[in-house]
Amino acid sequence: EDKVVQSPLSLVVHEGDTVTLNCSYEVTNFRSLLWYKQEKKAPTFLFMLTSSGIEKKSGRLSSILDKKELSSILNITATQTGDSAIYLCAVIGRGGADGLTFGKGTHLIIQP
Amino acid sequence: EAQVTQNPRYLITVTGKKLTVTCSQNMNHEYMSWYRQDPGLGLRQIYYSMNVEVTDKGDVPEGYKVSRKEKRNFPLILESPSPNQTSLYFCASSSWGNQETQYFGPGTRLLVL
Repeated sequence: EDKVVQSPLSLVVHEGDTVTLNCSYEVTNFRSLLWYKQEKKAPTFLFMLTSSGIEKKSGRLSSILDKKELSSILNITATQTGDSAIYLCAVIGRGGADGLTFGKGTHLIIQP
Repeated sequence: EAQVTQNPRYLITVTGKKLTVTCSQNMNHEYMSWYRQDPGLGLRQIYYSMNVEVTDKGDVPEGYKVSRKEKRNFPLILESPSPNQTSLYFCASSSWGNQETQYFGPGTRLLVL
């Protein structure tokens, strides 16, 4: 059974701080790892990391996949209150037929 | 506009009263899926469908049924809802082989009393 573990489960920081969110996984026939941001509605896609694309960056957000350690990190620099959300990590394996396996999420709160 | 729609968005019901949550997509996607989200548990897959008349169980299928009679629709049926099915439900769709790019519906918040 595929498994995704995120840490920490909850994090409170001040605006301007840098945060690192962690995701470790166990998946049969790993295909890809995805990061989502969720703000009181449906998750919105941030990044997809695969064996051929292990580092992604978009503005203040970046993510790295460590295939050896079976893990990924999501970094957010110069945090803003608008970054407050639940960040979800998910993996796809086994040919993808059974879809995404999600972690429990990290609830990030940015205080002004 | 490409989208996944769900109805209703909010529902309060009582134990045992059958209900259906509809899901429809306008992107001609083969793959559709239902998830539930509970505090501290992330999203868990209930059922998925790879195409018309092809459905399979996800991680938490107990108490749910689905059908896929048409490509665009994938209703979630709770034959006899119970309080432990109180949750936030998301429908999602993607083209086959491209499950990484799943489009999520807006969610249905269900309360079973």
